Amino acid sequence: GAGVSQSPSNKVTEKGKDVELRCDPISGHTALYWYRQSLGQGLEFLIYFQGNSAPDKSGLPSDRFSAERTGGSVSTLTIQRTQQEDSAVYLCASSFRLGWGEQYFGPGTRLTVT
Amino acid sequence: AQRVTQPEKLLSVFKGAPVELKCNYSYSGSPELFWYVQYSRQRLQLLLRHISRESIKGFTADLNKGETSFHLKKPFAQEEDSAMYYCALVYSSASKIIFGSGTRLSIRP
Repeated sequence: GAGVSQSPSNKVTEKGKDVELRCDPISGHTALYWYRQSLGQGLEFLIYFQGNSAPDKSGLPSDRFSAERTGGSVSTLTIQRTQQEDSAVYLCASSFRLGWGEQYFGPGTRLTVT
Repeated sequence: AQRVTQPEKLLSVFKGAPVELKCNYSYSGSPELFWYVQYSRQRLQLLLRHISRESIKGFTADLNKGETSFHLKKPFAQEEDSAMYYCALVYSSASKIIFGSGTRLSIRP
């Protein structure tokens, strides 16, 4: 595709439900990153993948959050038992190789937990 | 602990005036610093990285290790510069990134 895409663009869910957010990186990009953008916490880095591997998961806010990447392409960020404080815009980015200055960002998924 | 501070939530200047968006960092190691920008209804994008020492859209930023600062500057602001600007620090052997709280720049005509 032309750029990083994320789906859904908007998600409203009830507290306690699980949600899955999807990121489709630019074809050929080996590195993929997840961020969260919220009013309370600003812009936070969550996790990155080099290929299918995430070397450091310590940026995930809690054990309710998990992320995976398969086939070196699509990634999903899963939030279990959602809480109201999970409401935020979740951003995905990708880059040809691992590099913080080489990322292309997606449009984000706006998650609202009611 | 590492920290990035952007003291101004909102900065409003007139078109043609100089702009300086402040960024201070706290990190005991060798810093790698970036400026990201998000224009209205657009995606977040990289503006500058300190390593490249380049000027993008008229903006420059110099790393001052003595003052632990990485302020973003432009001599003559333009209306299209209105956006949200984030300063960011990469640390932990380049495996993590932390952002400042952001400064909204508004250029008045």
